[in-house]
Amino acid sequence: AQSVTQPDIHITVSEGASLELRCNYSYGATPYLFWYVQSPGQGLQLLLKYFSGDTLVQGIKGFEAEFKRSQSSFNLRKPSVHWSDAAEYFCAVGATGGFKTIFGAGTRLFVKA
Amino acid sequence: ETGVTQSPTHLIKTRGQQVTLRCSSQSGHNTVSWYQQALGQGPQFIFQYYREEENGRGNFPPRFSGLQFPNYSSELNVNALELDDSALYLCASSLFAGGGNQPQHFGDGTRLSIL
Repeated sequence: AQSVTQPDIHITVSEGASLELRCNYSYGATPYLFWYVQSPGQGLQLLLKYFSGDTLVQGIKGFEAEFKRSQSSFNLRKPSVHWSDAAEYFCAVGATGGFKTIFGAGTRLFVKA
Repeated sequence: ETGVTQSPTHLIKTRGQQVTLRCSSQSGHNTVSWYQQALGQGPQFIFQYYREEENGRGNFPPRFSGLQFPNYSSELNVNALELDDSALYLCASSLFAGGGNQPQHFGDGTRLSIL
């Protein structure tokens, strides 16, 4: 069965520091992978997606993620965090040709000055 | 481009009551999915509608039902409300073009509280 694991419930980084949020998935074939961000009281916004091709994908707001098939991972990175990046981040996996998207439990990012 | 809009934003109900939540999809999108997000958790897939029919369902009981209308807007209905139904209900629209799992555009959700 499909599943997504985000091992870190919350992470605190200093403004200007680099960021890496971890995501591991379980799926029998090549998955569709997504990262979404959710600010308090709001819906989810798509940061980036991986369907096929280049395993390093660029997204909005300076985020990037790397698909590593051998590790079943799709970690999100940003070289320099801004205070406005404080939010909840969700990794998600979708089935090829399917309809269902499975979300991880999320990682809450705190940014300190 | 009009985004996904949900109504109402907040709702308070009591156990046993019924509730209807509404969603207008983003212009150009033909598929609507509904998710339940409990406090501190990720969204859980309830079901998806495409061409006015249920296209797939998650692990939710039949008292969770839905509709999609010709203009692609959608409703989520929940009967016999239980305390555990308290959550943020998110609607997401996407364009289904014959294959693949497409990125979804989310509304801001309806916060449902059951007393």
